Amino acid sequence: SQQGEEDPQALSIQEGENATMNCSYKTSINNLQWYRQNSGRGLVHLILIRSNEREKHSGRLRVTLDTSKKSSSLLITASRAADTASYFCATVLRSNDYKLSFGAGTTVTVRA
Amino acid sequence: EAGVAQSPRYKIIEKRQSVAFWCNPISGHATLYWYQQILGQGPKLLIQFQNNGVVDDSQLPKDRFSAERLKGVDSTLKIQPAKLEDSAVYLCASRRAGQNYGYTFGSGTRLTVV
Repeated sequence: SQQGEEDPQALSIQEGENATMNCSYKTSINNLQWYRQNSGRGLVHLILIRSNEREKHSGRLRVTLDTSKKSSSLLITASRAADTASYFCATVLRSNDYKLSFGAGTTVTVRA
Repeated sequence: EAGVAQSPRYKIIEKRQSVAFWCNPISGHATLYWYQQILGQGPKLLIQFQNNGVVDDSQLPKDRFSAERLKGVDSTLKIQPAKLEDSAVYLCASRRAGQNYGYTFGSGTRLTVV
């Protein structure tokens, strides 16, 4: 079974707007990661947030983590057409075997 | 650094045939993973290698799937015989040691079983 679940399943926004997607998970984690997948391609690692961190930034990306609610959010600011992709959250439960468990993803469409 | 290389890019086979996928991870990455991604779903772990040893193959359907990583570098995933439900993208990923690194994925092999 999948550990993380993203919400919404799909999101359509205008270029320049912000996009926010959420991820909920079931059990305690070591870290949580976000990946992007363009159509027909492999996944690209965006950002990793450890369980003792609450917020991280990378360029136009902002990730938050609330371990008490077992949830995370990914914010993309000032979206561009090139941000059109599927976004997945993935959790690592234990540091000793480091396996990623993925959710089903959020499909983001940025309209020009 | 060079990325994770996978081949072939696409493969179409008939059910009950066999197929093999190849992956060459980033040099120096000891951990290698194979994931199956069915259309519309997130990737699902099939098998994890650490060097040339299997760490986890609990989700690998061993009656038809096999994988090896001889010499701890490149890896091969095989399906024999294939079923219609094996149609998916097969993704290979590798990771460098340490707590703060994500995976690097290859572009995947899209398998269609007809």
